[in-house]
Amino acid sequence: DVKVTQSSRYLVKRTGEKVFLECVQDMDHENMFWYRQDPGLGLRLIYFSYDVKMKEKGDIPEGYSVSREKKERFSLILESASTNQTSMYLCASSSVDGQENYGYTFGSGTRLTVV
Amino acid sequence: RKEVEQDPGPFNVPEGATVAFNCTYSNSASQSFFWYRQDCRKEPKLLMSVYSSGNEDGRFTAQLNRASQYISLLIRDSKLSDSATYLCVVSRGGSNYKLTFGKGTLLTVNP
Repeated sequence: DVKVTQSSRYLVKRTGEKVFLECVQDMDHENMFWYRQDPGLGLRLIYFSYDVKMKEKGDIPEGYSVSREKKERFSLILESASTNQTSMYLCASSSVDGQENYGYTFGSGTRLTVV
Repeated sequence: RKEVEQDPGPFNVPEGATVAFNCTYSNSASQSFFWYRQDCRKEPKLLMSVYSSGNEDGRFTAQLNRASQYISLLIRDSKLSDSATYLCVVSRGGSNYKLTFGKGTLLTVNP
């Protein structure tokens, strides 16, 4: 069974801390994504990567950065955590074959609380 | 117009009922369409892709109307286990590998 694994299920961090969220996929997918999900706002794209060392900003990149040094691993970094970054963070990966998008596979999410 | 718009519900239906969800999207260049299911406090999971010809998977039927930019999901003979939030998902025009998610429709199936 294909898998996307997020390193932590629950995380509590202090304001101002640098936070690393890790995501690993075993499907050899080219594309990886970070979303956050908040009540009433749905899923919002933070950053995505379509290849090793390649990244593009999503809709809400402010306060975040990413790293993709290996194909299977995509890290989200909160440079200086703030309380408005308290959220559920979801990593996803996908493969696109020409014009065919097969959909995303999501990790189980990291619920981050910044205090 | 929002990129992907769904009725948020909630929909409360008895077991055995047929329920339909609708979704509209704004970008006529979108190429890929999906329905995802999300259980409470879990990650979204792919329920089915949606094709122009319409497609069926057991009790679930999905339809796409490109002219009207409209997607639907029909669930027949609802089960208690169908209770979840259903997300309409559309690829972004010009970027088939990026998806936009609707905010979801909450379904509760009652005994």
